[in-house]
Amino acid sequence: EPEVTQTPSHQVTQMGQEVILRCVPISNHLYFYWYRQILGQKVEFLVSFYNNEISEKSEIFDDQFSVERPDGSNFTLKIRSTKLEDSAMYFCASREGRKSEAFFGQGTRLTVV
Amino acid sequence: GENVEQHPSTLSVQEGDSAVIKCTYSDSASNYFPWYKQELGKRPQLIIDIRSNVGEKKDQRIAVTLNKTAKHFSLHITETQPEDSAVYFCAAHLAFNKFYFGSGTKLNVKP
Repeated sequence: EPEVTQTPSHQVTQMGQEVILRCVPISNHLYFYWYRQILGQKVEFLVSFYNNEISEKSEIFDDQFSVERPDGSNFTLKIRSTKLEDSAMYFCASREGRKSEAFFGQGTRLTVV
Repeated sequence: GENVEQHPSTLSVQEGDSAVIKCTYSDSASNYFPWYKQELGKRPQLIIDIRSNVGEKKDQRIAVTLNKTAKHFSLHITETQPEDSAVYFCAAHLAFNKFYFGSGTKLNVKP
């Protein structure tokens, strides 16, 4: 069964450093998302991406964040200058169409020290 | 935007009993309501979903009901088993774009 895959599974970084979280969505999917989940809290929407551009972003997704689909298969989330409060599990998700279910990746646990 | 409230935050039941988790949403334009199960350290997995043109849907021991007038939907798990223990998230989907998640319910099924 096709799966959304994310790498790395865990990343530790120093405050102020840049990180790139990588996702490979399911191949025929067209809609892509990043969510984050701070430990013990709800899953929060960050950004949605369709047709090679951001379709919606939350207030969390400020200028420190960016997304890219560099090669037609990968979907990346970049955090330019990490803060302690960026520590969370980051989930990528993809959907085939507008009416279909979302499939989540296994997540990347980001720890900022 | 949409606001999804989920109750209870924790639920402890005896094996074999039923569990009910309730969610409310604020935007009547929301039209798709999935439920996700998240085991510790793992990804959220879709377990059941319902669209706004349906009032109830059942899949074996799991059922979801939707009341569009009252803007609430519920997850029902019957004959609970220890492996049902997890965090369950409801979500509301607005305008075919992003999902708004509830705050989660930690279900503990005691053997």
